[in-house]
Amino acid sequence: DAGITQSPRYKITETGRQVTLMCHQTWSHSYMFWYRQDLGHGLRLIYYSAAADITDKGEVPDGYVVSRSKTENFPLTLESATRSQTSVYFCASRGLVNTEAFFGQGTRLTVV
Amino acid sequence: AQRVTQPEKLLSVFKGAPVELKCNYSYSGSPELFWYVQYSRQRLQLLLRHISRESIKGFTADLNKGETSFHLKKPFAQEEDSAMYYCALRETNAGGTSYGKLTFGQGTILTVHP
Repeated sequence: DAGITQSPRYKITETGRQVTLMCHQTWSHSYMFWYRQDLGHGLRLIYYSAAADITDKGEVPDGYVVSRSKTENFPLTLESATRSQTSVYFCASRGLVNTEAFFGQGTRLTVV
Repeated sequence: AQRVTQPEKLLSVFKGAPVELKCNYSYSGSPELFWYVQYSRQRLQLLLRHISRESIKGFTADLNKGETSFHLKKPFAQEEDSAMYYCALRETNAGGTSYGKLTFGQGTILTVHP
């Protein structure tokens, strides 16, 4: 399927564990983003990437790591999960020239 | 730094009534403004962008640079409009090139009652 997909859709993990959320897009979009969605805060940018091997911090990067070895993939890793990282995570991508951003279906992560 | 404010967390109206979702922004440059909608348990999708000046699903939004606002309006709300609405800002440089990052407001949950 063409588009942007996230996996897993749902994840429960324990405090202190490492967990990786996957994001894959088939458009060869240059830009990719990770947001977390929390009530009262809206969507907050965690990390973004302008191209393969180019990443930068967003508003709330602490506790997260990203990589982008291939244009189509942008995994987000929680190195040592904490309860405060319980959230819905959205990945997004957009092309190079002023186009709209497309979002994945989201990953609902619960840290217990 | 840029900021987007949606003052209403919740907004309830009856079917057929007009609805206005407020959005104010602060940004020193020339912004691009968007409205995104998220229906229950679905992904975010673009509803409107200010540069398009179009009406989607009966919704319109006008960028008011003097008031730094981008309110979303619909004259007659429908039950299927019930959703979470996000206002978002994208930075651009002096040449109009976008850096790509979107800054979102806190979101407004719209409920349209029958």
